[in-house]
Amino acid sequence: AIQLTQSPPSLSASVGDRVTITCRASPGISSALAWYQQKPGKAPKVLIYDASSLESGVPSRFSGSGSGTDFTLIISSLQPEDFATYYCQQFNSYPITFGQGTRLEIK
Amino acid sequence: QVQLVESGGGVVQPGRPLRLSCAASGFNFSSYAMHWVRQAPGKGLEWVAVTSYDGNRKYYADSVKGRFTLSRDNSKNTLFLQMNSLRIEDTAVYYCARVGADFWTFYHMDVWGKGTTVTVSS
Repeated sequence: AIQLTQSPPSLSASVGDRVTITCRASPGISSALAWYQQKPGKAPKVLIYDASSLESGVPSRFSGSGSGTDFTLIISSLQPEDFATYYCQQFNSYPITFGQGTRLEIK
Repeated sequence: QVQLVESGGGVVQPGRPLRLSCAASGFNFSSYAMHWVRQAPGKGLEWVAVTSYDGNRKYYADSVKGRFTLSRDNSKNTLFLQMNSLRIEDTAVYYCARVGADFWTFYHMDVWGKGTTVTVSS
């Protein structure tokens, strides 16, 4: 199975900060990666798919990049509603796998 | 609007079965592959299973293979997850989710239900 390793596991940041979350795939997965945001008690919401495509309706402060084994989610200027847990997910091959999550907290 | 609504969760004893349903509306259900994803209390997301749009292909996580069976009724816009031989470790919120492009099986998940809670306890 493809393993996804997210870092950091948790992160404290302030409103207005630029935040970077990384996801490493082993083995490589081309661009078959998505990023999700999940708030407590809610279902996940897709932010980015195909590594860098912004899902319709998602604010442009979210961006994704990478291919192969190394991927990045960037939030350019944190807003209060962005404090949540973020997961990467690969859909290159079965079984589909998720990263372990990055919890983004208010500093 | 596009919507997925899960049902069928509850408290069940270890070894007993349970059947989850996911009712779809607002889109052409028969054109989309569908997933189940679960989340144990305080834990991350775990993919469970996926069925192709026509139900001809199904894939399962190793943790549920042989115990869970995925099916769909395209005439009723409904996805099912038959869970047999339930274990304590199957306790989780179960989400159904739509694949993000029609007729694809492996792609991101663009629409999620709110989830149904399964608790396996003696």
